[in-house]
Parts: sequence; structure tokens; C-alpha cells
Amino acid sequence: AQTVTQSQPEMSVQEAETVTLSCTYDTSESDYYLFWYKQPPSRQMILVIRQEAYKQQNATENRFSVNFQKAAKSFSLKISDSQLGDAAMYFCASFSYNTDKLIFGTGTRLQVFP
Amino acid sequence: DAGVTQSPTHLIKTRGQQVTLRCSPKSGHDTVSWYQQALGQGPQFIFQYYEEEERQRGNFPDRFSGHQFPNYSSELNVNALLLGDSALYLCASSLRDGNTEAFFGQGTRLTVV
Repeated sequence: AQTVTQSQPEMSVQEAETVTLSCTYDTSESDYYLFWYKQPPSRQMILVIRQEAYKQQNATENRFSVNFQKAAKSFSLKISDSQLGDAAMYFCASFSYNTDKLIFGTGTRLQVFP
Repeated sequence: DAGVTQSPTHLIKTRGQQVTLRCSPKSGHDTVSWYQQALGQGPQFIFQYYEEEERQRGNFPDRFSGHQFPNYSSELNVNALLLGDSALYLCASSLRDGNTEAFFGQGTRLTVV
């Protein structure tokens, strides 16, 4: 069974600073994907970044990057130059074609202070 | 492209009643998945529909059922509502044979009183 664990219920960061959100996962699948989703107060899940497990290179999307440590089953999200609009719940999730469903962690609430 | 649309946005029901939630997938998508997100929790997979059939199911009782129509839209039905069914219900659409990105709707907030 796949599991995703987010051990930080809340994090805070000053505007323009950098923050890292942690995520660990467990899976017996050899082919899987990892995601970070953002859920603002509007409730809609928005994909922030994705990582294919077979790729060694860490994914990057503008100010968002991941540190994917496959052996340690760790998948952290780094947000650089934090902006007020980054404030939201962030969910880590895993997916494999065998299970064909997203498995989410419990989320981390990110606050951004001016 | 309107993306994934869900209706209604909010709903209040009484224990024991039945409810139907609706989802229209993103244009071009053929697969619809439903998730339940309890307050302060991550979304939990309920079931997935493709080609008008339930393809797989999460750990939810038979009170939760669904349907997919020929135009790929979908309904989630919950019978005999319990207080514990109060949650945000999210619909996600994707392309079965495409990449793995799922697009989510804004959800339906169901409150059972």
C-alpha cells in the first residue's frame, strides 16, 4: 500500500524568503509519480509541481523546486522568494499506474508574513 | 475551457437523507475520480469512473455510489447520510491514456446536520 506523510501541520515564512515543506512516502511500486498540490481558500487543488520517480533530476517550476531523495523516500518542496499569494494548504501526493489513484498526505498550512 | 466544474458549491442535508453531487470534467478528459476531504485532512479516494463504469473503489461503504454519463460527466450519490459524511467532495478529471495530471474542481461542501 502507498502512504504519504507530511509531518509539518503548519509552516510560516517571511515574504521574499525561502521555505521548505517536507514529505515522505512509502510505496512498493517501481514506477510512480509524486506531486505537490496547493489548495488556497477557494478550495480548488492546483498542481504545483510533479516528479517522475524514474528521473534523477529534481523538478523545477519557476520559484518552486523539489528535493527528491528516492532511496530515502523523501520529496520536499522548496519555495523561493515567497509571495503572499503562496499562502495556502500544500498537499504531497503519490500516484502509480497500478493503483491509478492519488494518495494524499494530511497537508501543511503555509502562512506568508509581509 | 471551463476546467472541471462541480455543483452545487454548498449543500446542507439532514441525517438519513440522500444527496447527489455533480461533476463536469475538463474538456477532452474521459476519466472522473471522486475524493472526500474531511476538515483538516487530505483528500481520500472514493472511486473512479471511466467508460461509464466504476473502475476502482476506495475504502468507502456501499452508501456511496456513482455514475458516469456518455458525455463523461459524473454524479456521486450518498444515501442514508451520516454526520461523518460532512466534508468537501472533490472531483478530478484526467485522460485515461494521457499523462497523469489530474485537474480538480472547486468541490462541493456538504454539511450533514
